[in-house]
Amino acid sequence: SAVISQKPSRDICQRGTSLTIQCQVDSQVTMMFWYRQQPGQSLTLIATANQGSEATYESGFVIDKFPISRPNLTFSTLTVSNMSPEDSSIYLCSVVSGGETQYFGPGTRLLVL
Amino acid sequence: KQEVTQIPAALSVPEGENLVLNCSFTDSAIYNLQWFRQDPGKGLTSLLLIQSSQREQTSGRLNASLDKSSGRSTLYIAASQPGDSATYLCAVSSGTYKYIFGTGTRLKVLA
Repeated sequence: SAVISQKPSRDICQRGTSLTIQCQVDSQVTMMFWYRQQPGQSLTLIATANQGSEATYESGFVIDKFPISRPNLTFSTLTVSNMSPEDSSIYLCSVVSGGETQYFGPGTRLLVL
Repeated sequence: KQEVTQIPAALSVPEGENLVLNCSFTDSAIYNLQWFRQDPGKGLTSLLLIQSSQREQTSGRLNASLDKSSGRSTLYIAASQPGDSATYLCAVSSGTYKYIFGTGTRLKVLA
């Protein structure tokens, strides 16, 4: 299994600013994933973050808006840049560990005013 | 493009009832399927994972079945309890560890 923590747990931000979300895992994992859950919606994959290489973004998501770092096998950050109210969502990181089971962090609740 | 749909969107049942949550997917070429539980203010918890070669998985009062050819999975919850109240999500993977999530079923079990 894997235990994942995220910081911050929630934040209220002003339009035009940026927020960096941290994800820490208690074990080394190859792949980490960042998801977004907009209000009342299901989860949508933003990107896959592999250590030692650039993140792979899904359709509709770009690096300029959501830059990702993966400096080691237990840590990743997602930055939400130049925020607008449409970026208000829950952002979750996840990993696959112990086979193929996916584990999720508690999420970061972001409100953009 | 894979699409995952869950029916019903919301369900309210009295305590003790057996219930079935449904999940359908448009592309049967999946690698595995997972059922998750999401509680308000918390992340997701994996409940059951079914490989594409499997027909069902069981954990306690939960049983998940998979019919890949018809693009369907069901989650059966026996003897429901108020603590089962949550949103249940199914997600399918094509083998790259990337999951496509369904729309979710919000379950409320009344005491």
